[in-house]
Amino acid sequence: DIQMTQSPSTLSASVGDRVTITCRASQSISSSLAWYQQKPGKAPKLLIYRASSLESGVPSRFSGSGSGTEFTLTISSLQPDDFATYYCQQYNTYYTFGQGTKLEIK
Amino acid sequence: EVQLVESGGGLVRPGGSLRLSCAASGFTFKTYEMNWVRQAPGKGLEWVSYISSSGSTIYYADSVKGRFTISRDNAKNSLYLQMNSLRADDTAVYYCARDSAGGGTTEFDYWGQGTLVTVSS
Repeated sequence: DIQMTQSPSTLSASVGDRVTITCRASQSISSSLAWYQQKPGKAPKLLIYRASSLESGVPSRFSGSGSGTEFTLTISSLQPDDFATYYCQQYNTYYTFGQGTKLEIK
Repeated sequence: EVQLVESGGGLVRPGGSLRLSCAASGFTFKTYEMNWVRQAPGKGLEWVSYISSSGSTIYYADSVKGRFTISRDNAKNSLYLQMNSLRADDTAVYYCARDSAGGGTTEFDYWGQGTLVTVSS
């Protein structure tokens, strides 16, 4: 099974900050990686697919990069609406989610 | 507008059974692969099961294999999850989610609102 490890588990930041979340796969997954945002009591929302493709309607301050085993999600300038939990997901072999990164207001 | 609406959750005793449904609308259901994903209270996301557009290919997470059965009725635009031999650690919100593109596993572009399953005596 492919394991996905996100870091950090919690991130404290301020509005306007640039933040980066990392996701590592236990084996190569090529570019078969997605990022989701989830707010309390809501379903996850797709942000990035194929490691770096921005889902339609998602603000351009979100970007993704990486391939193989190491991936990053970057938010260029945090907005109040961005404080949420973020998950990576591999879909190269079945599906596996990372454990999540909670982005908190500093 | 794409909509996925889950139903069928509730309180069930350990060892019991429950059948979840997901009603799809706003897209050509029969051409999309579908999934169930769950989230235990305060925990992360866990993929549960996948079914291809025709229903001919099915995958399960090891944690539910042999106990859960995924199915679909393309004539009714519906996805199902039959859950048997339920355990306390199956307690979670269950989401149905659509694979964004045909032909194998891809990202999930639409999700339902979720239905809560609680396994407790």
